[in-house]
Amino acid sequence: AQSVTQLDSQVPVFEEAPVELRCNYSSSVSVYLFWYVQYPNQGLQLLLKYLSGSTLVKGINGFEAEFNKSQTSFHLRKPSVHISDTAEYFCAVSDGQGGSEKLVFGKGTKLTVNP
Amino acid sequence: DGGITQSPKYLFRKEGQNVTLSCEQNLNHDAMYWYRQDPGQGLRLIYYSQIVNDFQKGDIAEGYSVSREKKESFPLTVTSAQKNPTAFYLCASSMAAAKNIQYFGAGTRLSVL
Repeated sequence: AQSVTQLDSQVPVFEEAPVELRCNYSSSVSVYLFWYVQYPNQGLQLLLKYLSGSTLVKGINGFEAEFNKSQTSFHLRKPSVHISDTAEYFCAVSDGQGGSEKLVFGKGTKLTVNP
Repeated sequence: DGGITQSPKYLFRKEGQNVTLSCEQNLNHDAMYWYRQDPGQGLRLIYYSQIVNDFQKGDIAEGYSVSREKKESFPLTVTSAQKNPTAFYLCASSMAAAKNIQYFGAGTRLSVL
C-alpha cells in the first residue's frame, strides 16, 4: 500500500524568504502526486499535480514541485513567500495504474509566514 | 457556481445520537468521498462511492454509514457506535475519467456535547 511522509510538521519562515516543504512517498511502478493547501477551517484546494511528463510541475500561487523518481520525492517550493501563504499543506499520492480512486495523504505541514 | 456544498458548517452531537452530514455537488462528478481529519493526522478515507447506489468502505468505516441515492448527494451518518466522533469531516468528488483528481467541500466540524 502507498504511504506518504511529510518530513516537517511545522515550517516557520519570514516573508519574502524561499521555502521548501518536503514529501516522500513509498515506491511504486507509477504514481500520481498532488499537493493540496488548506486554509484554517476550510476544505482542501488543489495546488498542483504530477500525472506524467515534465518532472517540474508549476501550480497556483507561484508554487512548483519537482518529481524525483530515484529519491521517491515530490518537494514543494516557492521562491518568495507571502503572509497569505500561511496554511497547512498536504502531499498526496495515488497509484498511476488502473486509475485508482484512492488518494493517500501525508499528515500535513503547517507553514507559518512571519512578517 | 459549480462546487461542493457541505452542511452544516458546525454540528454538535449528544451521547447516543446519530447525526447526518450533508454533501451536495453540482459538478456532475460520478465519484464522491468522505474523509475524516484529525489534528496532525492528515486525511483518512471513511467511505467512497463511484456510482449511484454503490459505495465502498474506506480505511476507517466503523461507526459510519452512507447512502448514494442521487448522483449529486452523498450524506454521511455518524452513528452512536462511533465513540470518538469529534473531527473535521471533508467531502470530495471526482470525475470518473480522473478519479484521483479530487475536489473538496469546505468541511463540517463535529463536536460532542
